[in-house]
Amino acid sequence: KAGVTQTPRYLIKTRGQQVTLSCSPISGHRSVSWYQQTPGQGLQFLFEYFSETQRNKGNFPGRFSGRQFSNSRSEMNVSTLELGDSALYLCASSPGLAGVTDTQYFGPGTRLTVL
Amino acid sequence: GDSVTQMEGPVTLSEEAFLTINCTYTATGYPSLFWYVQYPGEGLQLLLKATKADDKGSNKGFEATYRKETTSFHLEKGSVQVSDSAVYFCALGPSYTGANSKLTFGKGITLSVRP
Repeated sequence: KAGVTQTPRYLIKTRGQQVTLSCSPISGHRSVSWYQQTPGQGLQFLFEYFSETQRNKGNFPGRFSGRQFSNSRSEMNVSTLELGDSALYLCASSPGLAGVTDTQYFGPGTRLTVL
Repeated sequence: GDSVTQMEGPVTLSEEAFLTINCTYTATGYPSLFWYVQYPGEGLQLLLKATKADDKGSNKGFEATYRKETTSFHLEKGSVQVSDSAVYFCALGPSYTGANSKLTFGKGITLSVRP
């Protein structure tokens, strides 16, 4: 099976712009989660989507949003970019069994740099 | 809330040395536990997992045992190789059936193995 894919792999934006990142999960997986990784804060959970519905949300401002399509592909959007949004954004997919045996598999990430 | 504590790093070892990376957790219920590894410039790869007390996860020579009495999930390898140089993350998963798939990560520890 193909793994989780994320596009683009690298992005450079300026403050105030907005950005959209894309994630294609492993075939058959219905849950997609997004994480932000920074040197200072480590790995932080952004949100999870399952069957086109947001199932859980982390502690991030409303500038961070996401959605999931009927084919389970997901996008996340960051509006009004700030310098602190520079990070590696990781997408993870899982079957979405919502139980203790559910396992997340990660994509390679999108490296966002805000200038 | 749920949390994961990893030992402070970085860790530098000589090839063929024994490796232990400590991980303890705080959670309600009976969470699943994971170790993920991140190689330079890449996303996270699942290394191993355990879903209930006394389970031992193993992969590529790495092992970790789910110890509920000490709330620990220490990672061990008997003989490290240069190719094991990476960042290792301990993570906590769902605590009960019906929960979402959110992972809570430790801060990660960088392992460098010298030839």
